[in-house]
Amino acid sequence: AQSVTQLGSHVSVSEGALVLLRCNYSSSVPPYLFWYVQYPNQGLQLLLKYTSAATLVKGINGFEAEFKKSETSFHLTKPSAHMSDAAEYFCAVSDRHQKVTFGIGTKLQVIP
Amino acid sequence: DTAVSQTPKYLVTQMGNDKSIKCEQNLGHDTMYWYKQDSKKFLKIMFSYNNKELIINETVPNRFSPKSPDKAHLNLHINSLELGDSAVYFCASSQETSGNEQYFGPGTRLTVT
Repeated sequence: AQSVTQLGSHVSVSEGALVLLRCNYSSSVPPYLFWYVQYPNQGLQLLLKYTSAATLVKGINGFEAEFKKSETSFHLTKPSAHMSDAAEYFCAVSDRHQKVTFGIGTKLQVIP
Repeated sequence: DTAVSQTPKYLVTQMGNDKSIKCEQNLGHDTMYWYKQDSKKFLKIMFSYNNKELIINETVPNRFSPKSPDKAHLNLHINSLELGDSAVYFCASSQETSGNEQYFGPGTRLTVT
């Protein structure tokens, strides 16, 4: 069975500050891992994915995530938050058989 | 061109009615999904089809019936709608060979009154 835990359903950062959204996963096989972003009234959009290549994955909009097998983590970071980053962020894990399990989501608020 | 499209975008209906939501993808993907997102943003998979074959069927009331006429389309029919069915329903597609990343439609906001 696979699962994802996102720590913190709400995260607030000041504009220009570091963004850190936490995700821990559980999977019985080497996983695919994903971060998605959802802006208000829109569908989810892929930010980045890990598929067993480089452990540090760079995505769109300046986001990146590091796969740490020893910690079963895949935290999402961005050095400097922009107002436009305010959205809901979902971590997800796939067992490579096309079933994807999503976390509960983290709402990122950016304070001017 | 929209990669994954859904119709309608909004659907308001009364309890007991039957309604359908349509989804189409033009990405050439083999797999399509239906997700339900509740008011707390929790995203739950409902169904998945691979080349028109049902491969994932989560614990969903049998009032919900997916239909895939071809691998580019996956429709969702809901019978005897209930208040608890109110949610946003997302269609998505993926290709296993590209790492299972999912492409989502814009969602259908269903409101049952």
